[in-house]
Amino acid sequence: EAGVTQSPTHLIKTRGQQATLRCSPISGHTSVYWYQQALGLGLQFLLWYDEGEERNRGNFPPRFSGRQFPNYSSELNVNALELEDSALYLCASSRSDRGRNQPQHFGDGTRLSIL
Amino acid sequence: KNEVEQSPQNLTAQEGEFITINCSYSVGISALHWLQQHPGGGIVSLFMLSSGKKKHGRLIATINIQEKHSSLHITASHPRDSAVYICAVPSWGNQFYFGTGTSLTVIP
Repeated sequence: EAGVTQSPTHLIKTRGQQATLRCSPISGHTSVYWYQQALGLGLQFLLWYDEGEERNRGNFPPRFSGRQFPNYSSELNVNALELEDSALYLCASSRSDRGRNQPQHFGDGTRLSIL
Repeated sequence: KNEVEQSPQNLTAQEGEFITINCSYSVGISALHWLQQHPGGGIVSLFMLSSGKKKHGRLIATINIQEKHSSLHITASHPRDSAVYICAVPSWGNQFYFGTGTSLTVIP
């Protein structure tokens, strides 16, 4: 069974640009989570998608957005990039998670560097 | 005050030692997760538990819902156990709160 795959592995951008990160969940998983792990900081919850809809988002500005496609893959978009957006962005997937926690499976992350 | 607090932040152990990592939380939960993060960033979910105790190989996780406390134990530690261990707690709307992690180094 293929795991959660994220692309690209590394992404280098400059301030003000826009970044798009992609995540493919494990087959059969309909929930996708996005997390940010900035250097020296812990993991922070960004977004939760389930069955194509955004179910919840963490305390991040609106320039962090995303979507989930009919095949349950997901994109995270970050507009107007700032230096502090430099971080490891992790995607996780699980079976449908509404009302009942499911184990999450993590991808290897996309390391976003803002110059 | 953080919603999830872990201790210790850093831990160095000799190979074979018994290790305990603690997690206290203040948010309401349905299940608590223990995660392992290796250098380079990859994360593996070790346990998800809502009561009692779970065991997987040399790893044991316990939780006390009334005291809002969980522990992760590693028996007969090995250098390959060296990693960052993270406690994660879901709150309403599956908003996850994370501990800052415990960095474990096991010396041969």
